Amino acid sequence: RKEVEQDPGPFNVPEGATVAFNCTYSNSASQSFFWYRQDCRKEPKLLMSVYSSGNEDGRFTAQLNRASQYISLLIRDSKLSDSATYLCVVSPSGNTPLVFGKGTRLSVIA
Amino acid sequence: GAGVSQSPSNKVTEKGKDVELRCDPISGHTALYWYRQSLGQGLEFLIYFQGNSAPDKSGLPSDRFSAERTGGSVSTLTIQRTQQEDSAVYLCASSLVWTSGGQETQYFGPGTRLLVL
Repeated sequence: RKEVEQDPGPFNVPEGATVAFNCTYSNSASQSFFWYRQDCRKEPKLLMSVYSSGNEDGRFTAQLNRASQYISLLIRDSKLSDSATYLCVVSPSGNTPLVFGKGTRLSVIA
Repeated sequence: GAGVSQSPSNKVTEKGKDVELRCDPISGHTALYWYRQSLGQGLEFLIYFQGNSAPDKSGLPSDRFSAERTGGSVSTLTIQRTQQEDSAVYLCASSLVWTSGGQETQYFGPGTRLLVL
């Protein structure tokens, strides 16, 4: 089983739609979780951290299910500018390099 | 303040030549990472520097790859005798490391696009 797995997509959705991505991780001892966004031919940038209690930032909601070892990202009211690849990222332990999923590609269509 | 910078932004080289890629982390960040991203692929961890500790080299794909971090700041990734399969975007990132051992957000540089002909 890969350390971090994501559906590669692409997800093609109309503007205004709600879209959800899931990600699973294999290391049950993982401590920190993040969603990064990567635009075409650009570097990854942090979108949001994922907390055990779930967290929301505007149109974006992230949730963590430790028992099932999955993380989700929900995007409401999709905008054209949301088109990007969304990377699920896990920190196996406190002071080790992050493990990146291969990303889920989202295209928001007018 | 300034973010992570990398140079060169693009590098074209011939198979068998050596290349050096440079990373300037965010000032004050103690942790520095190198990743590789091939076309359409995820980020592949290469090497990690944290303060004065021995680097974590577990991700280096072969002994042709090496990296140094001088003075706890600038880092250089060297690829010797380049092969066509080394063609990729090489990304550097830096972060603060908590005293408890956790880490804060990794900030990425724009990357160096390496093409080996």
